[in-house]
Amino acid sequence: AQKITQTQPGMFVQEKEAVTLDCTYDTSDPSYGLFWYKQPSSGEMIFLIYQGSYDQQNATEGRYSLNFQKARKSANLVISASQLGDSAMYFCAMRGVTGTASKLTFGTGTRLQVTL
Amino acid sequence: GAVVSQHPSRVICKSGTSVKIECRSLDFQATTMFWYRQFPKKSLMLMATSNEGSKATYEQGVEKDKFLINHASLTLSTLTVTSAHPEDSSFYICSARDSGDRAETQYFGPGTRLLVL
Repeated sequence: AQKITQTQPGMFVQEKEAVTLDCTYDTSDPSYGLFWYKQPSSGEMIFLIYQGSYDQQNATEGRYSLNFQKARKSANLVISASQLGDSAMYFCAMRGVTGTASKLTFGTGTRLQVTL
Repeated sequence: GAVVSQHPSRVICKSGTSVKIECRSLDFQATTMFWYRQFPKKSLMLMATSNEGSKATYEQGVEKDKFLINHASLTLSTLTVTSAHPEDSSFYICSARDSGDRAETQYFGPGTRLLVL
């Protein structure tokens, strides 16, 4: 069974500062993928970044980077230079082995509020 | 790229009626689509996995006769909530997996807010 834990129900960050959203996971699958999604108040789920368990380097996508520490089973999302538009719910998710049966397991989410 | 549309975005219906929600992948083919339900301030709950050309796989506790899923083409899956009741009121969101993406990233539609009166 797979499990995703997001221990921060809410976070505040000042505009232009960096913020780290925590995510730890547990799985027995030898190969897996980790994802972060952003959900603004409108409800859509926006894909932000992906990290494969065998990827040698930490993933980066613009202002988003994933601090992947495999031994610690953590996949924290770092948002640099926060903007007001970054205020949203952020979900960490994990996919097990690839194939038609693979599904996403989601964490409970972290609500990020960017302040002036 | 990787755009998923969902229609309608919002629907209000009377108790006992059926509601159909469409999920389309606009710029990629999706042999697999997923249907989720989300309660307020909660995470996404997977309802079923929809595979093109075959029967959907439902999660434990989800009534397949209540939530009918059809995945007739590589770009379209539909969810029909049959004989809807107020307890079915929720936010329903679909996702589609790009068949050519090694990461098997799921791209989500904008969601459908269902209110059953």
